[in-house]
Amino acid sequence: EDKVVQSPLSLVVHEGDTVTLNCSYEVTNFRSLLWYKQEKKAPTFLFMLTSSGIEKKSGRLSSILDKKELFSILNITATQTGDSAVYLCAVIIQGAQKLVFGQGTRLTINP
Amino acid sequence: GAGVSQTPSNKVTEKGKYVELRCDPISGHTALYWYRQSLGQGPEFLIYFQGTGAADDSGLPNDRFFAVRPEGSVSTLKIQRTERGDSAVYLCASSLLTSWGEQFFGPGTRLTVL
Repeated sequence: EDKVVQSPLSLVVHEGDTVTLNCSYEVTNFRSLLWYKQEKKAPTFLFMLTSSGIEKKSGRLSSILDKKELFSILNITATQTGDSAVYLCAVIIQGAQKLVFGQGTRLTINP
Repeated sequence: GAGVSQTPSNKVTEKGKYVELRCDPISGHTALYWYRQSLGQGPEFLIYFQGTGAADDSGLPNDRFFAVRPEGSVSTLKIQRTERGDSAVYLCASSLLTSWGEQFFGPGTRLTVL
């Protein structure tokens, strides 16, 4: 069974800290891994990673994929209260269009 | 439209009733997806449409759940004989068929079955 596991499930830090969120996967035929941010209801797209070792960056957020060890990390530097959200990791499998999600990491940034 | 829209935003119903949830995808997106998200969990895939046809309905939990997309745009998710376990947020997403993975999500419908 295809499986995506995120850790930690919950994280509370102070504004200005740097955080690293983890996502590991076991899937039959990997195509891509995606990160989403979910603040209220609608997950919003952050990154899609297909190749190993190539960092994707957007402002204070960055992510990288390791296809040998089957995991990805999402880094957020100089965190702000607006970064508080649930961060979802998902995998797309070759030949399928559906996303297989992890259970999410709830990140809380305290001022 | 500017984004994916879903109606209603909240739906409260009684056990055993029938409900319909609607999704309006982004104009021009041929692929449409339904997911279900229970509290504290990530979204779980239900069904995927390519145009008017259901290309993958392997995530529908049982035959009480059905979805249609008759004109290849708006989709309706239908749940018969609702049960308390159906309570969840139902998310719809759409994408360009050539865009592997970048699915744009709507705000969801929170369904509560009493």
